Amino acid sequence: DAGVIQSPRHEVTEMGQEVTLRCKPISGHDYLFWYRQTMMRGLELLIYFNNNVPIDDSGMPEDRFSAKMPNASFSTLKIQPSEPRDSAVYFCASSFVGGGLYNEQFFGPGTRLTVL
Amino acid sequence: SQKIEQNSEALNIQEGKTATLTCNYTNYSPAYLQWYRQDPGRGPVFLLLIRENEKEKRKERLKVTFDTTLKQSLFHITASQPADSATYLCALNPYGQNFVFGPGTRLSVLP
Repeated sequence: DAGVIQSPRHEVTEMGQEVTLRCKPISGHDYLFWYRQTMMRGLELLIYFNNNVPIDDSGMPEDRFSAKMPNASFSTLKIQPSEPRDSAVYFCASSFVGGGLYNEQFFGPGTRLTVL
Repeated sequence: SQKIEQNSEALNIQEGKTATLTCNYTNYSPAYLQWYRQDPGRGPVFLLLIRENEKEKRKERLKVTFDTTLKQSLFHITASQPADSATYLCALNPYGQNFVFGPGTRLSVLP
């Protein structure tokens, strides 16, 4: 398996533009997580899905952020409009829980977002 | 308030020694705790998981302890090597709450 795939790896955009980050989880995994990592705040959970359904989006900072998972193999995180303070590395992770306790999460390589 | 702390932002040790990293938490009741390794420019990689009813877990040169009374986990790397240099993150799975990561400790193993 190729692991969790994220695209793009780097994104530079100007304030006010729409940004879409993409994630393909590991096949067979039933949980998908979106995180944001900054020096100041560390690794923060933004939202997670179970079987394509959003379970908890309490970590999403503002209404400018939205996430979707239209099917088991694809998820997007959208920021509209983007602001300089959104600059961070965004990680997608997936795991297989299958009704039991949470298991290890497999992280993608991340998308480094810079908003000018 | 709820808080996770890791002993220090950075830790330098000599090759061959045992590295000990600390994860302390406040006002959480974790079902279990995980440790991850993160290299620069990459996503975290899972290392070990320990459940609340387990005192110790080992995997090769790694050992994790979990003391729910002290609200602390210790992560040990024995016979450390320069290749062990990375940032190590602890993560909690509290009952009824979302997964939460600590700030990390950057370990440097000097040859």
